[in-house]
Amino acid sequence: KAGVTQTPRYLIKTRGQQVTLSCSPISGHRSVSWYQQTPGQGLQFLFEYFSETQRNKGNFPGRFSGRQFSNSRSEMNVSTLELGDSALYLCASSVGLGTSTDTQYFGPGTRLTVL
Amino acid sequence: AQSVTQLGSHVSVSEGALVLLRCNYSSSVPPYLFWYVQYPNQGLQLLLKYTSAATLVKGINDFEAEFKKSETSFHLTKPSAHMSDAAEYFCAVSNNNNDMRFGAGTRLTVKP
Repeated sequence: KAGVTQTPRYLIKTRGQQVTLSCSPISGHRSVSWYQQTPGQGLQFLFEYFSETQRNKGNFPGRFSGRQFSNSRSEMNVSTLELGDSALYLCASSVGLGTSTDTQYFGPGTRLTVL
Repeated sequence: AQSVTQLGSHVSVSEGALVLLRCNYSSSVPPYLFWYVQYPNQGLQLLLKYTSAATLVKGINDFEAEFKKSETSFHLTKPSAHMSDAAEYFCAVSNNNNDMRFGAGTRLTVKP
């Protein structure tokens, strides 16, 4: 079974631009979570989507948004990029039922650099 | 609110020595607890997780962790370190498996 895939793997943008990152979950998984990883703040939860609905949300400004499609693929968008948005963005998928047997599997991440 | 604290941002051990990475959690409800490993330029790989079935949890690559409610701890151990264990390790807590809060990470160095 294929793992979680994220595209693109690397991205360079300039301040003020917007960016869209994509995540394809493991087949059969309905939950997709997004995390931001920076040296200063570590790993922070952005949001989680389940069956096309945002189910949980972290403490990030409204410039960060996401969506999930009917095939469970998810995209996250960051508008009006700031230098501090430079980070590794990780996507994780799981079945999504929240039971003890449910496990999140992470993709390799998208490295975003904002110049 | 849930949170985890990892004690020690860097840990260095000799090859063959015991590995001990410390994690303390805070949660208002019975938590799910996790240990993940991250190698350079890669995503996170699950080592093990606690879901209340057993307090001693065995994971991949001979890692294990013990849930101690009285100490609110979930320390990760491995009896004998290998060079390939050098990586960054993250402890995480969740109450539903899908919204995880991570610790700051511990970088493990293994000396030959």
